[in-house]
Amino acid sequence: DQQVKQNSPSLSVQEGRISILNCDYTNSMFDYFLWYKKYPAEGPTFLISISSIKDKNEDGRFTVFLNKSAKHLSLHIVPSQPGDSAVYFCAATDTGANSKLTFGKGITLSVRP
Amino acid sequence: ETGVTQTPRHLVMGMTNKKSLKCEQHLGHNAMYWYKQSAKKPLELMFVYNFKEQTENNSVPSRFSPECPNSSHLFLHLHTLQPEDSALYLCASSHPNAAGGTSLGAEAFFGQGTRLTVV
Repeated sequence: DQQVKQNSPSLSVQEGRISILNCDYTNSMFDYFLWYKKYPAEGPTFLISISSIKDKNEDGRFTVFLNKSAKHLSLHIVPSQPGDSAVYFCAATDTGANSKLTFGKGITLSVRP
Repeated sequence: ETGVTQTPRHLVMGMTNKKSLKCEQHLGHNAMYWYKQSAKKPLELMFVYNFKEQTENNSVPSRFSPECPNSSHLFLHLHTLQPEDSALYLCASSHPNAAGGTSLGAEAFFGQGTRLTVV
């Protein structure tokens, strides 16, 4: 049973527009959420995170929103750039001892010039 | 460059071969992990090492054998693999959490991965 779900396998947006990547989770114990970005032939790199005590975290063009009641988070990229084209993984964890990251399947984002 | 280095980047091996994957980090992290990424599947956690001690084995078959000689190095020894084991194997490291456990609530740094093909 997948505890972190990224139901859309891909997303294509025009350069300069907003990219919205969605993620849903089922485990109510999760209290920390992360987004990773992965280019082909490279490992995932950390992008942005959010704690469950917040509902929004912003870092430059990237903003993550958390809706705990809906067990839903989203990553907004504004404005989207061609260099943002990559696979984006949503991950979640509970921050107790020996916690681990649970990843979604990833979303492939393509930003068209 | 994330500070986590994996070798080799690509590996093709037969089902009767024995090979090892290597991971090295000099970030001062004390937690290290092996992940498997198969096509169209989530990243799957395989093993967790915290302060050189294995703290998690996520029901991984015994044909995968991890080794952590020190906090900076992690190996994955492979023997008698099956074609379905072909995947991208990723190493990651992080700081343990304040409670002394292994927390990936802290940012985890990944290596570039080893693309393994079993023939």
